Amino acid sequence: RKEVEQDPGPFNVPEGATVAFNCTYSNSASQSFFWYRQDCRKEPKLLMSVYSSGNEDGRFTAQLNRASQYISLLIRDSKLSDSATYLCVVSQGGGATNKLIFGTGTLLAVQP
Amino acid sequence: DAGITQSPRHKVTETGTPVTLRCHQTENHRYMYWYRQDPGHGLRLIHYSYGVKDTDKGEVSDGYSVSRSKTEDFLLTLESATSSQTSVYFCAISHPTRKETQYFGPGTRLLVL
Repeated sequence: RKEVEQDPGPFNVPEGATVAFNCTYSNSASQSFFWYRQDCRKEPKLLMSVYSSGNEDGRFTAQLNRASQYISLLIRDSKLSDSATYLCVVSQGGGATNKLIFGTGTLLAVQP
Repeated sequence: DAGITQSPRHKVTETGTPVTLRCHQTENHRYMYWYRQDPGHGLRLIHYSYGVKDTDKGEVSDGYSVSRSKTEDFLLTLESATSSQTSVYFCAISHPTRKETQYFGPGTRLLVL
């Protein structure tokens, strides 16, 4: 079983749609949680951190449920420019031993 | 822009040859990382460094070595490249106060024939 699991998609949605991605992680000792975005043939870039209280950044909302070991990302009013792969990432360890564990990503294609 | 460059950006090599990839940062960050990304796998950590001459292994370190003689440079060496090392390699640095937040270089696409 992978440590971080995501639905690979693709999610094909029309512009303006709301789309939700889910992610589960297996290690209950995971400490920090993130969504990264990766455009085709580019490097991953941090989209947002995820907190238990939930957090919002414009059209993007992230939620964490530690009890269920579940992370979500909601994108409202999808834009063509949102087309990318979204990586669910968890952090384990601390200090010099801090490690990021990456999911394989969920591909989003926003259609005109 | 996190000030990270990687070289070369693309490389084709033959099985059995040594290959060195370079990561250069202008941010003076202490922590640097090498990952590989392959279809069906998330990014996987190869090696990381927590200072000059301080390095440690990640989850997929077999067949790779690293060196860090200067803060700004972190080198990844494939001593004898194999076809299974065909991949996209990303270097990353950590945010100085939040080490779990990482910034990635543009990547190196390596093809081993």
